[in-house]
Amino acid sequence: QSALTQPASVSGSPGQSITISCTGTSSDVGGYNYVSWYQQHPGKAPKLMIYDVSYRPSGVSNRFSGSKSGNTASLTISGLQAEDEADYYCNSYTSSSTLVFGGGTKLTVL
Amino acid sequence: QVQLVQSGAEVKKPGASVKVSCKASGYTFTDYYINWVRQAPGQGLEWMGRINPSSGATNFAQNFQGRVTMTRDTSITTAYMELNRLRSDDTAVYYCARLDYADPWFDPWGQGTLVTVSS
Repeated sequence: QSALTQPASVSGSPGQSITISCTGTSSDVGGYNYVSWYQQHPGKAPKLMIYDVSYRPSGVSNRFSGSKSGNTASLTISGLQAEDEADYYCNSYTSSSTLVFGGGTKLTVL
Repeated sequence: QVQLVQSGAEVKKPGASVKVSCKASGYTFTDYYINWVRQAPGQGLEWMGRINPSSGATNFAQNFQGRVTMTRDTSITTAYMELNRLRSDDTAVYYCARLDYADPWFDPWGQGTLVTVSS
């Protein structure tokens, strides 16, 4: 199972919006509404930010939103804040009953 | 609160085995999968596999088939991941994470266990 494809890095200024893409295949991202997104600050464990493509867990800011079109899922962060600077990973369920992560995207807040 | 607490850092020689534990609390242990995810230094997350604590059934990523074992002890609500025939590129932080039987998202995560493989 190949890793999902994410851009290596994205950047934005405080207050702006950014979008991180996550591209897979019809056997994973495109085949199921089981895409989740994780935020990871340096030296910390990942934190769930979005599940089932577009749902936010309790306690996650509504500045974070998710969507999917075909084989590509997206995470959008609006009103960028300095604390959003972190690595972001997507994950999808697959047709092999396994799970696969994206390669990760480093978000820099300028 | 729901919590996963992992065992401490390990240093192993190439060819050896390592066993990492993950103690669950704050929920019914047998109601959720325990998954294992690793992260090599400076690299991304890699899903290794999962165990159903209720039945003991496991499911592994192809990269780890034949080299990883996942077990659990329901009496002490603890899951274990054992990786054999260690190589230098197995040096990584290993995380356990809870996953719902019906909805595949990871929450919460353990704090991570650094495994260093070095001669």
